[in-house]
Amino acid sequence: AQTVTQSQPEMSVQEAETVTLSCTYDTSENNYYLFWYKQPPSRQMILVIRQEAYKQQNATENRFSVNFQKAAKSFSLKISDSQLGDTAMYFCAFMKPVLTRDDKIIFGKGTRLHILP
Amino acid sequence: EAGVAQSPRYKIIEKRQSVAFWCNPISGHATLYWYQQILGQGPKLLIQFQNNGVVDDSQLPKDRFSAERLKGVDSTLKIQPAKLEDSAVYLCASRGSVRNTIYFGEGSWLTVV
Repeated sequence: AQTVTQSQPEMSVQEAETVTLSCTYDTSENNYYLFWYKQPPSRQMILVIRQEAYKQQNATENRFSVNFQKAAKSFSLKISDSQLGDTAMYFCAFMKPVLTRDDKIIFGKGTRLHILP
Repeated sequence: EAGVAQSPRYKIIEKRQSVAFWCNPISGHATLYWYQQILGQGPKLLIQFQNNGVVDDSQLPKDRFSAERLKGVDSTLKIQPAKLEDSAVYLCASRGSVRNTIYFGEGSWLTVV
């Protein structure tokens, strides 16, 4: 069974700084998808960034980028120029490809990120 | 396109009462998921539908929880009788057949007192 581990329960950084959230996962699959979701107090799960395992290039979305190390099964999220609106829970998640029936998302326990003014 | 719709957004009930949550996925999305998220934890899958068939309900407490998706579109999740530990946010999500991305609704907050 797949597992997702986030080892940082809570982090705080000053506004405009760069912060990196860690995530490791365990799977025997070769092809899969990884995600970072943001969850503000409203509890809406907002997709931040996604990575296909077969792509070697790290995904980027504006201030958000990932460091995907497939051999190490590591998938960290870097937030550059952090903003107050980035304060939220961040979940790392894993999903098998669509063509497999077991294609649910498996979440880590989350990292609570505080951006300080 | 419209997102995943859920209702009600908030519900407070007494233990042993029943409650039902409704979800309307993004149009055309065949796969629908119900997740339970207890405060301070990551979401846990309760049940997954592919059209109107159940793919995975291994973590659904079937003695009190039930879910259906009769016409392969919207879905209902019911809890009867509710327990204090059922207090959580119930997230509905859907996925289309093309993009490997799951989209979430705003969630239904349940408080059992």
